[in-house]
Amino acid sequence: DAGVIQSPRHEVTEMGQEVTLRCKPISGHDYLFWYRQTMMRGLELLIYFNNNVLIDDSGMPEDRFSAKMPNASFSTLKIQPSEPRDSAVYFCASSLGRISYNEQFFGPGTRLTVL
Amino acid sequence: KNQVEQSPQSLIILEGKNCTLQCNYTVSPFSNLRWYKQDTGRGPVSLTIMTFSENTKSNGRYTATLDADTKQSSLHITASQLSDSASYICVVSSSSGGSYIPTFGRGTSLIVHP
Repeated sequence: DAGVIQSPRHEVTEMGQEVTLRCKPISGHDYLFWYRQTMMRGLELLIYFNNNVLIDDSGMPEDRFSAKMPNASFSTLKIQPSEPRDSAVYFCASSLGRISYNEQFFGPGTRLTVL
Repeated sequence: KNQVEQSPQSLIILEGKNCTLQCNYTVSPFSNLRWYKQDTGRGPVSLTIMTFSENTKSNGRYTATLDADTKQSSLHITASQLSDSASYICVVSSSSGGSYIPTFGRGTSLIVHP
């Protein structure tokens, strides 16, 4: 398996623009997570799905952030409108069963810069 | 409020030397503690996971310890290699009603010099 795939790897946009980050989890995994990492705050869990169903979005910072998982092999994280403080590395991770215990496999991340 | 504190913030050692990274937490209820290694420009990779009843767990040259009474964990790296240069992140998970509630430390940046 190729592991978790994220695209794009780098995104530079201007304030106010819509940004869409994409993730393909490992085939067969039933949990999908979105994280954000910054120097100031470290890693933060934003939202996660189980079997394509939203379970917890309490980590989403504002209504400008939204995520979808239309099927088992694809998820998106959207920011609309984007702001400079959204600049961060966004990671997608997936795992199989026993949430909180079983290992999560992280993608390479998308580095987002909002000017 | 759940918190995870890691120390030192950064560490520089010579190749072949040992080192120990610390993680102190105040997380309740405690489910497990995991150490991640994150290479520059890549996602974190799990090294070990420890539950309440486990005191020590090894993964090659990495050995993690857990003292649930004092709420402290350490990650010991033996005979360091240049490839150990990375950020090491401690994550303590809480579980309430089947949900997943992780609290992340800010990480220790380790640099191994030849």
